[in-house]
Amino acid sequence: DAGVIQSPRHEVTEMGQEVTLRCKPISGHDYLFWYRQTMMRGLELLIYFNNNVPIDDSGMPEDRFSAKMPNASFSTLKIQPSEPRDSAVYFCASSTGTPQGEKLFFGSGTQLSVL
Amino acid sequence: AQSVSQHNHHVILSEAASLELGCNYSYGGTVNLFWYVQYPGQHLQLLLKYFSGDPLVKGIKGFEAEFIKSKFSFNLRKPSVQWSDTAEYFCAVGGSNYKLTFGKGTLLTVNP
Repeated sequence: DAGVIQSPRHEVTEMGQEVTLRCKPISGHDYLFWYRQTMMRGLELLIYFNNNVPIDDSGMPEDRFSAKMPNASFSTLKIQPSEPRDSAVYFCASSTGTPQGEKLFFGSGTQLSVL
Repeated sequence: AQSVSQHNHHVILSEAASLELGCNYSYGGTVNLFWYVQYPGQHLQLLLKYFSGDPLVKGIKGFEAEFIKSKFSFNLRKPSVQWSDTAEYFCAVGGSNYKLTFGKGTLLTVNP
């Protein structure tokens, strides 16, 4: 398996533009997580899905952020409109649906810069 | 709410020095504890984890961590670091809600 695949690796955009980050989890994993990493706040969980259904989105910072998982092999995180303070590395991770806190497999992340 | 505190933002060591990275957590229930590592240019990887049983957990690459319940701590240790251990290390706590909460990370620089 190729692991968790995220795209793009780097995204540079201007304030006010829409940004879409993409994630393909490992086949067979039924949990998918979106994390954001910044120097100030470290790694924060934004939202996670189980069997394509959002379970906990309490970490999503604002209504400008939205996430979808239309099927078991694809998820998107959208920011509209983007702001400079959204600049961060966004990680997607997946895991099997077993005991809580089971091993997460992380993607390589998307480095987002909002100018 | 669960939270994780990593005491050191940046640790600099020479090769062969011993390492201990501090991690304290707060959570009201049974916890699962993790250390993840992120090598330069790579994605996060699991280093070791504690679910139950022996509080001294051994992970990959010679790392170990000890769960001390009375201190709410899960410190990471390695007796002799190598240049290749240069990376960022994240402590994380998971509870019954399946949510993993990470610390802010500790950057370890090992000088040859």
